[in-house]
Amino acid sequence: RKEVEQDPGPFNVPEGATVAFNCTYSNSASQSFFWYRQDCRKEPKLLMSVYSSGNEDGRFTAQLNRASQYISLLIRDSKLSDSATYLCVASSGSARQLTFGSGTQLTVLP
Amino acid sequence: NAGVTQTPKFRVLKTGQSMTLLCAQDMNHEYMYWYRQDPGMGLRLIHYSVGEGTTAKGEVPDGYNVSRLKKQNFLLGLESAAPSQTSVYFCASSRGDATNEKLFFGSGTQLSVL
Repeated sequence: RKEVEQDPGPFNVPEGATVAFNCTYSNSASQSFFWYRQDCRKEPKLLMSVYSSGNEDGRFTAQLNRASQYISLLIRDSKLSDSATYLCVASSGSARQLTFGSGTQLTVLP
Repeated sequence: NAGVTQTPKFRVLKTGQSMTLLCAQDMNHEYMYWYRQDPGMGLRLIHYSVGEGTTAKGEVPDGYNVSRLKKQNFLLGLESAAPSQTSVYFCASSRGDATNEKLFFGSGTQLSVL
C-alpha cells in the first residue's frame, strides 16, 4: 500500500465548477501536510499547507482529518488556469522527508 | 534570483555509462533532496541531505550515490546506468525548520537510458 494515496483522475470539469480532491495517508506519524501543483513537464510548486483547523486561500480550501488520516482540497469557481496535476504530500521524520501521492489530474474545460 | 538550478536538463545514456547530475541552490538552505518521477508513481525520494557533508538514503537509493561537499551543491551520481533509471529527476531544497517546510524544486532533468 502506498503511503499517500490519491484518486488519479482525470477530473474534467467545466469552467466555474467546484471540484474536490481527496487523499489518504498511512503513516500516523506524519506531521505536516501540503498540496503541491504540477503543470505538465514542469517542477512541482507549493499550492498550500494543510492545517488541522482547515484553511482557505482564495478559491482553494484545504482540510485535514487526523483521526481518519484524510486530506482534501476544494477548488471553487474553477478557472482554465487551474488545469494541472495536484499532488498530496505528507511530511514525516526528523529530516522533514516529504512523501508525495501520485497526483490527481485536473482539466478545466471552457 | 536563480533558486534551484539543475544541470543538465536532458541526457541520453547507454546502459553501463556513468553520469553526475548537479543541483545548486542559492538560498542558503540546509536540506536538499533528490527525487525521481515516473508515470503513475509520483515523486519518490532517492537520497537527501540535512547539511553540508551529510547524506542519507531515501525510498529508492539503489544504483545512485550522492555527495554534499558544499552547502549549496548536491550531486547525484549514476555509476552504471540501467534502463530502469530512465526517469525525470528533480532536485529540491528547503530551510528544514519545522515552521517552514516548503520545498523549492529545480526544473528537472529528463534522463533516458538505452
